[in-house]
Amino acid sequence: DTGVSQDPRHKITKRGQNVTFRCDPISEHNRLYWYRQTLGQGPEFLTYFQNEAQLEKSRLLSDRFSAERPKGSFSTLEIQRTEQGDSAMYLCASSQSIGTHTLQETQYFGPGTRLLVL
Amino acid sequence: DAKTTQPNSMESNEEEPVHLPCNHSTISGTDYIHWYRQLPSQGPEYVIHGLTSNVNNRMASLAIAEDRKSSTLILHRATLRDAAVYYCILRDVRKDSGGSNYKLTFGKGTLLTVNP
Repeated sequence: DTGVSQDPRHKITKRGQNVTFRCDPISEHNRLYWYRQTLGQGPEFLTYFQNEAQLEKSRLLSDRFSAERPKGSFSTLEIQRTEQGDSAMYLCASSQSIGTHTLQETQYFGPGTRLLVL
Repeated sequence: DAKTTQPNSMESNEEEPVHLPCNHSTISGTDYIHWYRQLPSQGPEYVIHGLTSNVNNRMASLAIAEDRKSSTLILHRATLRDAAVYYCILRDVRKDSGGSNYKLTFGKGTLLTVNP
C-alpha cells in the first residue's frame, strides 16, 4: 500500500495560466475526493467520484475548474485562467466503499499540491 | 448541518495525556463523530470515530457524552509527533437528495502544541 500520491507537490504559476494536478488513489479504492485548503482553514470539499462518475461538485468549483477520473483510476484537477484567489493547497483523498455504510469509510489523504498564483 | 465547536489551540507536555474537547450540541441521532488530524505539511489522517459508546484504538480514545452533545479525543501519552491540527467532524446519514454523507466537512480544528 503506497498511499495516495499527488503530483506536483508545489506549483507556482502566473495569473491567467492553466494548471493541472494529478492524484493517484490507493489502488483498490473506488471513491476519490478533491478538497481545497487555504491558510488557517480546514479543507473544503470540491468534488467526488465513484469509479469514473463524478457524482457531486461543490459550488466552490467554478466553471474554470474541471476534474476527471478516466477509467476510475487516477484523477486530474484542472484550473483554467488561474486567479490569485485560487492559491491554496489542493488535497486528494480516496476511500473504499463498504456497501451502504459510508460512515464507516475512512478517507485517506494525499500530501496535497500547494498552488501559488502570482 | 450539525456543527462542531473546538478550541482554537491547546498545549500539552510530552508524555502527558491530552484531552481535546468537541461540542456538537445540535447532533442528530444518527450522526457519527469522526476525528481526523493534520500534521504539518501533510494531508489529514483518520484518527477514530464513534456513535454512542466510547471507542479505543492504537492512536487514541474517544469519549462520548451520554447525551452525545460533546465528545473528547484522548491521547494517552502525547509525543512530539502528535503536534497537529485535530478536527472533530460529524457525518450525517440523511437520505435526502445529494445525501452528503460521503464528504467530510472540516471546521478550523484545534491546533495542538506538544512541549518537550
